[in-house]
Amino acid sequence: EADIYQTPRYLVIGTGKKITLECSQTMGHDKMYWYQQDPGMELHLIHYSYGVNSTEKGDLSSESTVSRIRTEHFPLTLESARPSHTSQYLCATELAGYEQYFGPGTRLTVT
Amino acid sequence: AQTVTQSQPEMSVQEAETVTLSCTYDTSESDYYLFWYKQPPSRQMILVIRQEAYKQQNATENRFSVNFQKAAKSFSLKISDSQLGDAAMYFCAYHAAGNKLTFGGGTRVLVKP
Repeated sequence: EADIYQTPRYLVIGTGKKITLECSQTMGHDKMYWYQQDPGMELHLIHYSYGVNSTEKGDLSSESTVSRIRTEHFPLTLESARPSHTSQYLCATELAGYEQYFGPGTRLTVT
Repeated sequence: AQTVTQSQPEMSVQEAETVTLSCTYDTSESDYYLFWYKQPPSRQMILVIRQEAYKQQNATENRFSVNFQKAAKSFSLKISDSQLGDAAMYFCAYHAAGNKLTFGGGTRVLVKP
C-alpha cells in the first residue's frame, strides 16, 4: 500500500547533537516537502524538492539541510540541535491537482 | 504573495449540529486550487475537501461541504451532523501553478457530546 513514513516519531535530544529526520514514500512522487509546525499553529515550509538532486529552501529560514539522492527518500538534517529547533516536523508529497499527502510527523524536543 | 486568513482560532459545536469555518485568501491569479485539511490531535494531517477555482459548483464530501465565493475570495467549510471524531485543527490552503501551498493559521474545532 502506498504511504509516507517518518522516523523517528518522537525524539528528545541534547543541545549540540547532530540529528537526521527520515522521510520516505512508496508512491514515486517527485515533489516532496518539509514543514515545521509548533503545536496548534500554522505550518511553515522549510524545504522542498521537485525531484532527485533538486532541493530548495522554503519560506521559513531554517538551519536544517536536506538531500534528495533517491526519489523515495528526503531526509532532513540538523548539524547542531538547539532548543529553538524544538517543534514538529511534517514531511509531505504532492499528488495530482496539487493535493499534498502528509506523513505522521516527527516531534522533536531539544533539551 | 498569496495569503490565507482563518479568522476563527477556535470553534465549538454540539454533536450532531453544524459548524462553519471561514477562510479568505488574497490572490491575483484566476486559476488555483483551494483545500481544507484536518489535523486530529497527535494524528496525521489529511485532506478533507478540494475546490478548483474554475469550477462554479461547490465541492461536497459526505458531511463536509464548501461555500466558494470567488469574487469575494472566500472559501468556507461546513461540517454537518458533527461527530466527536471531527474534533481537530482545520487548515485552509491555497495553491496556484508555479507557487507552493500556502496555509492559513488554522481553526481548532471542539465537539461537545
